[in-house]
Amino acid sequence: DVVMTQTPVSLPVSLGGQASISCRSSQSLVHSNGNTYLHWYLQKPGQSPQLLIYRVSNRFSGVPDRFSGSGSGTDFTLKISRVEPEDLGDYYCLQSTHFPPWTFGGGTKLELK
Amino acid sequence: QVQLKESGPGLVQPSQTLSLTCTVSGFSLTSNSVHWVRQPPGKGLEWVGAIWSGGSTDYNSALKSRLSISRDTSKSQVFLKMNSLQTEDTAIYFCTRSSWELDFDYWGQGVMVTVSS
Repeated sequence: DVVMTQTPVSLPVSLGGQASISCRSSQSLVHSNGNTYLHWYLQKPGQSPQLLIYRVSNRFSGVPDRFSGSGSGTDFTLKISRVEPEDLGDYYCLQSTHFPPWTFGGGTKLELK
Repeated sequence: QVQLKESGPGLVQPSQTLSLTCTVSGFSLTSNSVHWVRQPPGKGLEWVGAIWSGGSTDYNSALKSRLSISRDTSKSQVFLKMNSLQTEDTAIYFCTRSSWELDFDYWGQGVMVTVSS
């Protein structure tokens, strides 16, 4: 199974500041078709997860451009610029290149400094 | 619009069977897959299992011996059955959709399941 490791576990930020979350996989997430199936989700308190970024760097419908994803192979990053109050919550990466199982990172809690 | 909604008992006794239903709307089960994901209190997300558009299934290997996922396409419903429940199965259970293009793009609100006597 592919193990997804997210860092940091907790990330204190100031409103208006920038945040960066790392996700590393135990093996390359490049599929034989050339695509990389690494996605990012935000789970706000008391809510279900919501898709932010799919296939490394593509923003899902309605996601503001303050969110950006990058990376390749086994190393991926989610950046949030100009952090707003509604950005606070738990962030998860997910790999769907090598399945089953689909595997999530352990999560990163974005909280106010 | 795409919607998923989980339903089922909030409390299950240890060693009993959990039965959950995911009722979907706004898309077809014959052209999308539905996954179950669970989240123990205060912890992260764990993939449980899936039913594909063609009706085949995949299960988390740690749960496979206790788990069954099925569907009724005429009612737009997906079912999860897990037997021999233990306290470690206490979690919020979510259903989520995967299309040909996107994985886990829409989620249900989740249903809290507590395993306790």
